[in-house]
Amino acid sequence: SQTIHQWPATLVQPVGSPLSLECTVEGTSNPNLYWYRQAAGRGLQLLFYSVGIGQISSEVPQNLSASRPQDRQFILSSKKLLLSDSGFYLCAWSAGTRNTGELFFGEGSRLTVL
Amino acid sequence: AQSVTQLGSHVSVSEGALVLLRCNYSSSVPPYLFWYVQYPNQGLQLLLKYTTGATLVKGINGFEAEFKKSETSFHLTKPSAHMSDAAEYFCAVSVMEYGNKLVFGAGTILRVKS
Repeated sequence: SQTIHQWPATLVQPVGSPLSLECTVEGTSNPNLYWYRQAAGRGLQLLFYSVGIGQISSEVPQNLSASRPQDRQFILSSKKLLLSDSGFYLCAWSAGTRNTGELFFGEGSRLTVL
Repeated sequence: AQSVTQLGSHVSVSEGALVLLRCNYSSSVPPYLFWYVQYPNQGLQLLLKYTTGATLVKGINGFEAEFKKSETSFHLTKPSAHMSDAAEYFCAVSVMEYGNKLVFGAGTILRVKS
């Protein structure tokens, strides 16, 4: 069966510090991968998605970047965090082939920028 | 462009009462529609989905939803609320283009009173 792991689960960082959130998927090949951010009371905002290694699409201009160095690994990064980067970050995957539309989510990473 | 509107950011019901969470969508193509549930500090779990075929869709935990094309709606119902149903619920529509992306509504927090 497929599993998705995100880490760290919680993170408290000072303004201006770097960020690296990691996500890995097991049990599937060539998945589509996604990073969403959930801010309090604002639903889920798609940040990045990837259909393959090195292929990243950004949905909104921001202080963050994403990379996909391996087929089942997706990394969210920042060089200098802003207060507004605080939120709950969710990684997700969907099937690359025979896709029926649904996304499967990790447990999330809560980032607090102070 | 696809979009989702969830009516009511907070819904409160008594235990044993009917649960009705409203979702309306906008889509230029036949939509794939989803309901997800999120418990505090956790990822999103798929409750049910509509792709094609039968318009009444049954999901986990006794929830069901009906796709009504004429009303562009996909409301979520459960005949009898349980305390464990207290959570945040998200409706989403799929954009089956380059990869597939989900566009989420803002979410509805369900409170169940004893």
